[in-house]
Amino acid sequence: QQQVKQSPQSLIVQKGGISIINCAYENTAFDYFPWYQQFPGKGPALLIAIRPDVSEKKEGRFTISFNKSAKQFSLHIMDSQPGDSATYFCAARRNYKLSFGAGTTVTVRA
Amino acid sequence: DVKVTQSSRYLVKRTGEKVFLECVQDMDHENMFWYRQDPGLGLRLIYFSYDVKMKEKGDIPEGYSVSREKKERFSLILESASTNQTSMYLCASSLVQSTNYGYTFGSGTRLTVV
Repeated sequence: QQQVKQSPQSLIVQKGGISIINCAYENTAFDYFPWYQQFPGKGPALLIAIRPDVSEKKEGRFTISFNKSAKQFSLHIMDSQPGDSATYFCAARRNYKLSFGAGTTVTVRA
Repeated sequence: DVKVTQSSRYLVKRTGEKVFLECVQDMDHENMFWYRQDPGLGLRLIYFSYDVKMKEKGDIPEGYSVSREKKERFSLILESASTNQTSMYLCASSLVQSTNYGYTFGSGTRLTVV
């Protein structure tokens, strides 16, 4: 069973638009919530991460919003660029082990 | 540049064969992981090692075993390969103590069992 549920499975956005990916979890023992970006033929790479005592974290055009009471978190990609076209995975950590969502394929149209 | 290296990019094996997937990291990380990646399922943890000769089952260990004889090397073993083990296999490593606890992944081994 998937411990982290991710949606949508895929999305298409125009250049300059906003991409939003949502994740939800049940286990309150998770203590760290990273997002990974994966390009074809490559392994996932850490993009941005947040701890559950923080409601928002921003790094450049990427922002994580975290809602602890709802057990939900989301990734916002502002001013989306063609180079952002990739698969994005949310994850949640417990005891050094990450549980991953199913992934979202983002396509940015020029 | 620090890295996690997986020995094979593509492998084709026959049903029933014993298959070894090798992973080496040069970052002196304590933790190493094997995941498999399947469309629509994301990454699922097969096995985890937190020290030499130490291992812990992940979410889907059936049909797999692992070996960690040296800190930098973590091997995944398919005892008798089956077609349902056709997948992308990803190795990762991480520090026990880290400011971000992020994983570093290898580029993956795409295994096809025929």
